[in-house]
This record gives sequence, C-alpha cells and structure tokens, in this order.
Amino acid sequence: AQRVTQPEKLLSVFKGAPVELKCNYSYSGSPELFWYVQYSRQRLQLLLRHISRESIKGFTADLNKGETSFHLKKPFAQEEDSAMYYCALSGPGRRALTFGSGTRLQVQP
Amino acid sequence: DTAVSQTPKYLVTQMGNDKSIKCEQNLGHDTMYWYKQDSKKFLKIMFSYNNKELIINETVPNRFSPKSPDKAHLNLHINSLELGDSAVYFCASARGGRTEAFFGQGTRLTVV
Repeated sequence: AQRVTQPEKLLSVFKGAPVELKCNYSYSGSPELFWYVQYSRQRLQLLLRHISRESIKGFTADLNKGETSFHLKKPFAQEEDSAMYYCALSGPGRRALTFGSGTRLQVQP
Repeated sequence: DTAVSQTPKYLVTQMGNDKSIKCEQNLGHDTMYWYKQDSKKFLKIMFSYNNKELIINETVPNRFSPKSPDKAHLNLHINSLELGDSAVYFCASARGGRTEAFFGQGTRLTVV
C-alpha cells in the first residue's frame, strides 16, 4: 500500500530563515511526487512536482529514492509562505493522489 | 472563469437529513474526484470518475453516492447525515493519464 508521511504538524520559523518540510513515502514502484499548498481561505493548489525539477516561489524538492523522501526546501522563508503544505503521491495506474497529513508552516516576522 | 467550482461553500444541516454537493469543472478534464478533509486536515480520496465511469471507490459508507451526469460534473449525494460526516469536501479534476489535480474551493459540511 502506498503511504505518505509528513512528521511535522507545525513548523514555525522566522522570516529569512531556511525552511525544510519533510516528506517520506512508501511505494513499491516508481511514484510521482507532488507538493500542494493551501493558503488561508484558498483552495488547494499545486506547488511543484518532482518530474518538473523546477523551483516555484523559491521552493525546490528533490526526490531521493534511496531514502524514499521528497523534502520541500526554501533557503529564505517569507511571511507570505505561511500556509498548509501537503506532500502527495501517485503511482502508475492509480488515478488519485495519496496525501500526507500536512504541515502548517508559520513564518514569523 | 473558475476552473473547478463547488456549491455550496458552506452547508449546515441536521442529523438524518439528505444533502447534495455539486461540482463542475470547465477545464475539459475527463477525471474528477471527491476528497474528504477531516478536522485534523487529513485529505483522503473518496471517489474518482473517469469519463463518467466510477474507477475508484474507497471505503466509504453506502450513504455516500457520487453521480456524474457528464464529464464536467461530479455531484456527491449524502443520505442520513451523521455527526461524523462533518468535514470539508473537496472536488478535483485532472486530465486523463496525469494526476496533477485542480481543486475546488471546498464545501464545509457541518452536521448538528
């Protein structure tokens, strides 16, 4: 069975500090990994996906198959980054995302 | 020009009632989903439809019945509502073969 684990419910940092939101997964094949973000009172939206290997809003995430991790990183946090972040996984043939429990990021001034 | 829209945004109802939540997408996607977000913010897939055909039906009580009249719509009907059904329900859609999903704004259901 596929599973996504986000060990931190809340991560609080000061503005300008580095951020790392942890995500580990279990899946027997080659999954697609995603990070979704939900800002206050807004809908869930895609932040980035591992196959794109891109940086969005300064965030990056590298898929580490050896450690089965897909941690989200940003070198300098901004107050507007405060939101709920979800790591998600999808395996071939399974047309739905399996989400982690989410991590709330609070960036303090 | 909202891509995925749900109605209503808020729904407060009494136990035992029957209610429906509607979802429409104008992205031309052929796959639609219903997710449930519980009080702990955990998101879990409930149903998935592809071209009006049910392809995922997770362990959900029979009181929940999805209906897809066409590719652009996926409605969720709930019978005999219970207190534990209180949650935020999200509709989403995706292009066939890709699982990058676009979400609606959610429907906050409160059963009293």
